[in-house]
Amino acid sequence: GIQVEQSPPDLILQEGANSTLRCNFSDSVNNLQWFHQNPWGQLINLFYIPSGTKQNGRLSATTVATERYSLLYISSSQTTDSGVYFCAVIHSGYALNFGKGTSLLVTP
Amino acid sequence: EAGVAQSPRYKIIEKRQSVAFWCNPISGHATLYWYQQILGQGPKLLIQFQNNGVVDDSQLPKDRFSAERLKGVDSTLKIQPAKLEDSAVYLCASSPIRGSYNEQFFGPGTRLTVL
Repeated sequence: GIQVEQSPPDLILQEGANSTLRCNFSDSVNNLQWFHQNPWGQLINLFYIPSGTKQNGRLSATTVATERYSLLYISSSQTTDSGVYFCAVIHSGYALNFGKGTSLLVTP
Repeated sequence: EAGVAQSPRYKIIEKRQSVAFWCNPISGHATLYWYQQILGQGPKLLIQFQNNGVVDDSQLPKDRFSAERLKGVDSTLKIQPAKLEDSAVYLCASSPIRGSYNEQFFGPGTRLTVL
């Protein structure tokens, strides 16, 4: 099956800092989504981005499908950004294949 | 627009007992998924429905897990009998268009603890 690797696995930032999270995948994809899992376990949709660039407030994402990677940018981080960020892709079928996530802690 | 609803939010049972989870997808969404998320890992697909038919149940442990989707709307996932390794969060997701790669939306999950 397709491999989805996320880096870094853990990240600690001070409030106001910027960060870049990376997702590499081993084969072509039909769908790529970024999620934020909050401390209560809810998966919140951030971006649906099989290719191209999107922005939503302080967050933006870029997927370069031909080079098999996606980046999630967080600017001016806030303590509420803490949690686990997952990249998930669809290669065959319709089920999402998740990476192991990046655990982010933003300190005041 | 209401999101994906799940109940219960938490459940604690003894091993060998049975348990059932309920999911109501976003209105009009044809596709429904059940994922299992073990602590420290990303979610993994258990079963996928298209309307009320099963599309993919290859990862479902069928000796103990069963699922159905009544009238192509609500779905229930059952475990009988439960094992310690079934302790996990069970997530339901739905997506709008049949046969597409559209965005999937997740419910809040049911956290199961098997003692």
